[in-house]
Amino acid sequence: NAGVTQTPKFRILKIGQSMTLQCAQDMNHNYMYWYRQDPGMGLKLIYYSVGAGITDKGEVPNGYNVSRSTTEDFPLRLELAAPSQTSVYFCASMGSGELFFGEGSRLTVL
Amino acid sequence: DAKTTQPNSMESNEEEPVHLPCNHSTISGTDYIHWYRQLPSQGPEYVIHGLTSNVNNRMASLAIAEDRKSSTLILHRATLRDAAVYYCILRALSNFGNEKLTFGTGTRLTIIP
Repeated sequence: NAGVTQTPKFRILKIGQSMTLQCAQDMNHNYMYWYRQDPGMGLKLIYYSVGAGITDKGEVPNGYNVSRSTTEDFPLRLELAAPSQTSVYFCASMGSGELFFGEGSRLTVL
Repeated sequence: DAKTTQPNSMESNEEEPVHLPCNHSTISGTDYIHWYRQLPSQGPEYVIHGLTSNVNNRMASLAIAEDRKSSTLILHRATLRDAAVYYCILRALSNFGNEKLTFGTGTRLTIIP
């Protein structure tokens, strides 16, 4: 099992550009989550999904969109990137009450 | 949403036990208490979780107060590799029964050689 795989690991965006952070899991978990972590801070929940076709907002959803067309994939879309979205993004899936995290995607918006 | 409160930082000597406290005074009866830790430059990793009874695993022990308003993560013999940020979170059910997991700022544990 690969677990939770995130791509890309690093990305630099210009203000106003858009991009998609990819997240895939091979554990057949229904629950998936996107978090962001600013330097020296804790994790903030952006969006989460309880299964294919079902998503819900977390604590900081503004500026982001998600979709969940399959159990395996949970992409995070950034529209009109802003410097405030510079952060490390973590995707996670949950099985048997345990969260499994990806290695993170470091995004810089200049 | 039920919230947790943890000290910002703690220090402990190597090879001594460490007790990391967490307050969750607004916990509801169906909320599980979870602990995760985040090593430098890594994603968080699961440590332990429980509902009412104390729990033990190979990494740590979780002591839950009788009224469930607080809990303590116990590392029995700290090593340098245990230096990390430890998060106490509640696995809460939203109004729609969805499992929404939010993290606080955690406790940064420093191990002194």
